[in-house]
Amino acid sequence: TQLLEQSPQFLSIQEGENLTVYCNSSSVFSSLQWYRQEPGEGPVLLVTVVTGGEVKKLKRLTFQFGDARKDSSLHITAAQPGDTGLYLCAGAFTSGTYKYIFGTGTRLKVLA
Amino acid sequence: DTAVSQTPKYLVTQMGNDKSIKCEQNLGHDTMYWYKQDSKKFLKIMFSYNNKELIINETVPNRFSPKSPDKAHLNLHINSLELGDSAVYFCASSQGSLQPQHFGDGTRLSIL
Repeated sequence: TQLLEQSPQFLSIQEGENLTVYCNSSSVFSSLQWYRQEPGEGPVLLVTVVTGGEVKKLKRLTFQFGDARKDSSLHITAAQPGDTGLYLCAGAFTSGTYKYIFGTGTRLKVLA
Repeated sequence: DTAVSQTPKYLVTQMGNDKSIKCEQNLGHDTMYWYKQDSKKFLKIMFSYNNKELIINETVPNRFSPKSPDKAHLNLHINSLELGDSAVYFCASSQGSLQPQHFGDGTRLSIL
């Protein structure tokens, strides 16, 4: 059974601090996506990474895909209250059926 | 214009009842999904349809029956509701099986 563990599970920080969220698995993904979900809404896609070692930047957010395509990280620089939300990674598995497995989630709260 | 819309947003009902949730997407996507998000925010895929054909059916009780009348619609009917069915159900769509998914805002189902 594929499992994606995210850490930390909860994170509460002050505005302006940096943070990193991790997404780990023992399985290899063909691609990985990061989503942010706000209360009462569905997840919204932030980025897709496909190649091992790939790094993508989205303003203050930096996403990295592990060389072996088993893990990923999301780094936020100078966090702002607007970054508050639930961050979910989702790995694509292509053995058998093609589907995404979502991670266990990281709840981030940025205090003003 | 809402890309993926689900109705109703809230559903409160008694144990043993039968209920349906409707989903429509106006993005022209060929693949639609149903996910269940539990109280710990874990998002798990239930079903996936591609061009009205069922392609993923996870271990879901057969009380749950999806129906796709056309590419733009994927409805979920649930028979004999149980307390454990309480959750937020999300509909999503994508262009292809492993492409970025667009989520609806969810249907919060509460069983009394």
